[in-house]
Formats: sequence, C-alpha cells, structure tokens
Amino acid sequence: QVQLVQSEAEVKKPGASVKVSCKASGYSFTDYYIHWVRQAPGRGLEWMGWINADNGATKSAERFHGWVTMTRDTATRTAYMELRSLTSDDTAVYFCTRSGGGPTDFDHWGQGTLVTVSS
Amino acid sequence: DVVMTQSPLSLPVTLGQPASISCRSSQSLVSSDGNSYLNWFHQRPGQSPRRLIYKASIRDSGVPDRFSGSGSGTDFTLRISRVEAEDAGVYYCMQVSHPWTFGQGTKVEIK
Repeated sequence: QVQLVQSEAEVKKPGASVKVSCKASGYSFTDYYIHWVRQAPGRGLEWMGWINADNGATKSAERFHGWVTMTRDTATRTAYMELRSLTSDDTAVYFCTRSGGGPTDFDHWGQGTLVTVSS
Repeated sequence: DVVMTQSPLSLPVTLGQPASISCRSSQSLVSSDGNSYLNWFHQRPGQSPRRLIYKASIRDSGVPDRFSGSGSGTDFTLRISRVEAEDAGVYYCMQVSHPWTFGQGTKVEIK
C-alpha cells in the first residue's frame, strides 16, 4: 500500500536550518510529485511547494522563494524539504503528500514532522 | 492567487442531523476538461488530513456515503447527511492549481 513516512520531530534554534525527509513506498516514486504543506499550531494548512520526483524540477509558493529547498533521491525514494533562517513563526507540523493528477492528488499524506524553533 | 473562503468557520452539530459546509473560490476552478479541481479534506486533532472528495464530487474509496460534494465554478458544498461522532474535526477545501490554496477550515463539533 502507498505510504509516506517522514522523519522525526526536530528542535532548532532561530537562524538555523532544518531538513525534513519523506520516504515513499508502495507506488512508482518517479511517476508523482511530492508536495509539502505546513500547519502552525492551531492554524490551517499552508501549501509550500512541490518537487517532480522524476526530473527534480521544483515550484514553491512565492513567500517561500529562496528560503525553501526541495530535493529528492530516486535511489532511496525519498524527498527532502530544507527550510533556512528559521524563526519562531516556522514552528509547525510539516507534511508531505503526493500528486499525480486527478484521483491521486493529495490522496496520501505523511504522518507529519513537528519542527519547533526556540532559543 | 486563488482565495478559498469557507463558511461557517465553526459548526456545532447534533448527532444524526445533517451538516453543510460552503467553499467559495475567488476564481473559477473549471479546467479545460470541464472538471472543477476542488478537494475536501477532514483532519482530526494530531492527525494528517484525509481526503474525502476530489474533483468536487467524487468520493474517495472508503469514505462513507453520508459524505457528498457538489458544485462547480466558484461555489462548492460538502454535505454530511447524518453526522456521526467520528465526523468531528476540521474540514478544508483546497483548489488544485498553482499555487495550491486551502480554505481556512471549518471546525465541526458534536453538540
């Protein structure tokens, strides 16, 4: 079955970077995009960007331009999202999800990774 | 960017009664193929979102048939015919085009 398994929770200091991983199984990894969505405590869902798992092309929401880096390793079927220059406003749960068009858009999600930014 | 506006933001419901959530987009979501690319999700506290509906009205496998989605263009609705206890949580609509955007969420609470 399709699974997206994310890395464990992280605690970072302001100004640091964090890299979250998302390991896919149960489907053809390179046939899909991986999206990243975050959710601050008590808040709604915010789309951050996607990576084409086949060719590595990326697209992010404008507010994350130059600040988020999305990569993937096809050999290990893992996608990564790195966020730099963290502030307390980046404290959130970060989710990965997949899309492949229509029926598969956002149909499976990772369990979420809590990133806490605190001095 | 397409702005998604949900109403109400809070919805107290009685078990066994119907419930309805509205989602409006600032631009038409009709694609060149005639479909409206609008998803509905349900999220319980501490859990990942679960997709219920895609393309505005197609129910996901395993989703109870008391859930239904309707609408096209800019106006969409999620209906629950008879609310059950497990339906509590937050419901989000989301439009599927760049940049992807979500509604603010509607919190469904059981009275």
